[in-house]
Amino acid sequence: DIQLTQSPSFLSASVGDRVTITCRASQGISSYLAWYQQKPGKAPKVLIYAASTLQSGVPSRFSGSGSGTEFSLTISSLQPEDFATYYCQQLYTYPLTFGGGTKVEIK
Amino acid sequence: QVQLVASGGGVVQPGRSLRLSCAASGFIFGSYAMHWVRQAPGKGLEWVAIISYDGSNTYYADSVKGRFTISRDTSKNTLSLQMNSLRPADTAVYYCARSRYSTSVFDYWGQGTLVAVSS
Repeated sequence: DIQLTQSPSFLSASVGDRVTITCRASQGISSYLAWYQQKPGKAPKVLIYAASTLQSGVPSRFSGSGSGTEFSLTISSLQPEDFATYYCQQLYTYPLTFGGGTKVEIK
Repeated sequence: QVQLVASGGGVVQPGRSLRLSCAASGFIFGSYAMHWVRQAPGKGLEWVAIISYDGSNTYYADSVKGRFTISRDTSKNTLSLQMNSLRPADTAVYYCARSRYSTSVFDYWGQGTLVAVSS
């Protein structure tokens, strides 16, 4: 199975900060990577797919990059509604796997 | 609009069975692969199972293989997950989700239904 390692697992930041979360795959997955945002008690919501394609309706402050084994999600200017947990997911092969999550909290 | 409504969760004793359902609306159900994803309390996301758009192919996580069965009824726009031989480790919120293809992102998710396995 492909392991996805996210870092950091916890991040404390202020409104307006630039934030970057990384996701490392245990083997190459081309660009078959998605990023999701989850708020407490809610289902995950897709932000980015194919490593760098912004899902329709998602604010442009979110961006994704990377391919192969190293990926990142960047929020250019953190907004109050962005405080949540973020997960990466590989869609390259089954079983599909998720990263352990990165919780973004208010400093 | 696209809606996925999961139901059927509850408290069940170890070793017993439970059947989850996911009612789909607002899209052509028979054109999408469907998944179950679970999340144990305070933990991350775990993919559980996929069924292809036509029901001809299924695949399971090793943790549930041989105990869980995913199925779909296109005439009723319903996805199901039959869970047998339940264990305390199966305690989680179970989400249904759709993807256009087996390698596509999960673009819509249901609200989740809680399964608690406890004696």
